Amino acid sequence: AIQMTQSPSSLSASVGDRVTITCRASQDIRNDLGWYQQKPGKAPKLLIYAASSVQDGVPSRFSGSGSGTEFTLTISSLQPEDSATYYCLQDYFRPYTFGQGAKLEIK
Amino acid sequence: EVQLLESGGGLVQPGGSLRLSCAASGFTFSTYAMNWVRQAPGKGLEWVSGISASGVTPFYADAVKGRFTISRDNYNDTVVLQMEALRGDDTAVYYCVRYTGFPSRFDAWGQGTLVTVSS
Repeated sequence: AIQMTQSPSSLSASVGDRVTITCRASQDIRNDLGWYQQKPGKAPKLLIYAASSVQDGVPSRFSGSGSGTEFTLTISSLQPEDSATYYCLQDYFRPYTFGQGAKLEIK
Repeated sequence: EVQLLESGGGLVQPGGSLRLSCAASGFTFSTYAMNWVRQAPGKGLEWVSGISASGVTPFYADAVKGRFTISRDNYNDTVVLQMEALRGDDTAVYYCVRYTGFPSRFDAWGQGTLVTVSS
């Protein structure tokens, strides 16, 4: 199975900060990578698909980049409502696999 | 509005069985592949199973292969996960998820249903 490794596992940042979360795949997954946001007690929500396409309704401060094995989720100007856990998911090859998650807290 | 509503979760003893259902609405169900993703308490997300739009082709994670069976009814817009020989590590919230292809994404999620395997 393809392993997905996220870093960091947790981070703390201030409102207005630029935040970056990285996801590394154990093999080439082209651009078949999505980013999901999950708040406590809620279902995950799709933010980014195909590595860099922003899902409808997602604020423009969220962006994604990368291809192959290295991917990045960037929040350009952190807002209080962005406090959540973020997961990457490769849907290039089954079994689909998630990263372990990155918990983002607001200082 | 796309809606996915899971049901069937609950408490079951180790070795027991449970049947999860997901009722879909707000989209043409028969044209989308569907999946189940689970999350153990305090843990990350894990893909469990998927099924093609036609229902012909099922897929499973190694952890559930041979114990879980996914199926769908394109007339009643439902997808079912039949779980057998349940173990403690199957305890999780199970989410029903729509898969959209080209480009691929898991773009609609249900609210989840909790399965607890315990004696």
